[in-house]
Amino acid sequence: QLVLTQSPSASASLGASVKLTCTLSSGHSNYPIAWHQQQPEKGPRYLMKLTSDGSHTKGDGIPDRFSGSSSGAERYLTISSLHSEDEADYYCQTWGTGIWVFGGGTKLTVL
Amino acid sequence: EVQLLDSGGGLVQPGGSLRLSCAASGFTFTSYAMSWVRQAPGKGLEWVSGVFGSGDITSYADSVKGRFTISRDNSKKTVYLQMNGLRGEDTAMYYCAKDLSPRDGIFDSWGQGTLVTVSS
Repeated sequence: QLVLTQSPSASASLGASVKLTCTLSSGHSNYPIAWHQQQPEKGPRYLMKLTSDGSHTKGDGIPDRFSGSSSGAERYLTISSLHSEDEADYYCQTWGTGIWVFGGGTKLTVL
Repeated sequence: EVQLLDSGGGLVQPGGSLRLSCAASGFTFTSYAMSWVRQAPGKGLEWVSGVFGSGDITSYADSVKGRFTISRDNSKKTVYLQMNGLRGEDTAMYYCAKDLSPRDGIFDSWGQGTLVTVSS
């Protein structure tokens, strides 16, 4: 079964960096994923597609502070030089045969 | 520029019906699968249903199978979600989403959402 697992929460200080993790279920370690950002009271926003070899393709207007990397079944989103507006929920997403799947989301708090 | 405009939400009683629409522009509509994604108050994102470019292949989450029907009118560049037998747990913001490419189920564009409230 295709499942994406995320930690419910993370925090980091203004100006610092943070690395969020999304873990693919067993047997799906080669799947690409997307990272989406949802700021408070707003709709989701596509950040990037991230493949198993760590290459990533960002959406229009996504700052260079956002980057992705991969290791095995884990997919990472790193945000450097944290801004206050980076405080948001972050979701990973992928797809399989006839299904699309989201992780549970990570709520990022910028201290 | 890709644009997705969601509409059709509202207040409906349990057991009632509603039809959502997503009007698309800015891309070759027939080439892309489209999905509906919902978010209940205070909860995460949940994929609801998807339809491939031709409209003849559809897929549903177990939570809505048999009650919701997705369709598309390629001449109008619009995707629909017919929701029947609505329950309280269907209360959510509903978003339309577009796949990144014809072979890639990554969502790269989102509608602004339309709110569905199921309550007596």
